[in-house]
Amino acid sequence: KNQVEQSPQSLIILEGKNCTLQCNYTVSPFSNLRWYKQDTGRGPVSLTIMTFSENTKSNGRYTATLDADTKQSSLHITASQLSDSASYICVVSARGQAGTALIFGKGTTLSVSS
Amino acid sequence: GAVVSQHPSRVICKSGTSVKIECRSLDFQATTMFWYRQFPKKSLMLMATSNEGSKATYEQGVEKDKFLINHASLTLSTLTVTSAHPEDSSFYICSATPLAGGRETQYFGPGTRLLVL
Repeated sequence: KNQVEQSPQSLIILEGKNCTLQCNYTVSPFSNLRWYKQDTGRGPVSLTIMTFSENTKSNGRYTATLDADTKQSSLHITASQLSDSASYICVVSARGQAGTALIFGKGTTLSVSS
Repeated sequence: GAVVSQHPSRVICKSGTSVKIECRSLDFQATTMFWYRQFPKKSLMLMATSNEGSKATYEQGVEKDKFLINHASLTLSTLTVTSAHPEDSSFYICSATPLAGGRETQYFGPGTRLLVL
């Protein structure tokens, strides 16, 4: 069964600190992995996308890594800001004969406090 | 670019009434739009796939007569929650795929908060 598991479920950090969010997946056949940021009451916004051959992708203070062998991804946030408080969702695409399916993780809720 | 809007952003209605939610791709044409539902602290759940000019494809467990989807143009899809009940209260999010993109390239709207009293 295709699944995406994220950890931790929630996280509280102080402004300026770094943090790392985890995403483990069992999706086959794997197509790509995306990290989204979803502010409360808003739709998800794409942060990074990585295909099988990519190990790391950066977008400003966000750096995503992908280990296709262990089927793990991480999202590292550097020098956190209050505006980073949001839910971060890992989404894995599976492309099969029936078409492409997106498998969503439940997200990690990040709270950045001053 | 690639902006998707939803209207209304939030709506409160009485039980038994119908509510229509619009999803528009503002600066691109979308052959395919997706409708999701999200409960508090839960992940997005795909409800249906809407293709321009054809009937929507519903996910298992989603009642097509309850959630009417119309995709009349390449920039507009509507979701109508018919005879809404309190359990339909949720956050509804649409996404759109550009003409040249596959299902993987989805741009999400800001969501619509529905509260049924």
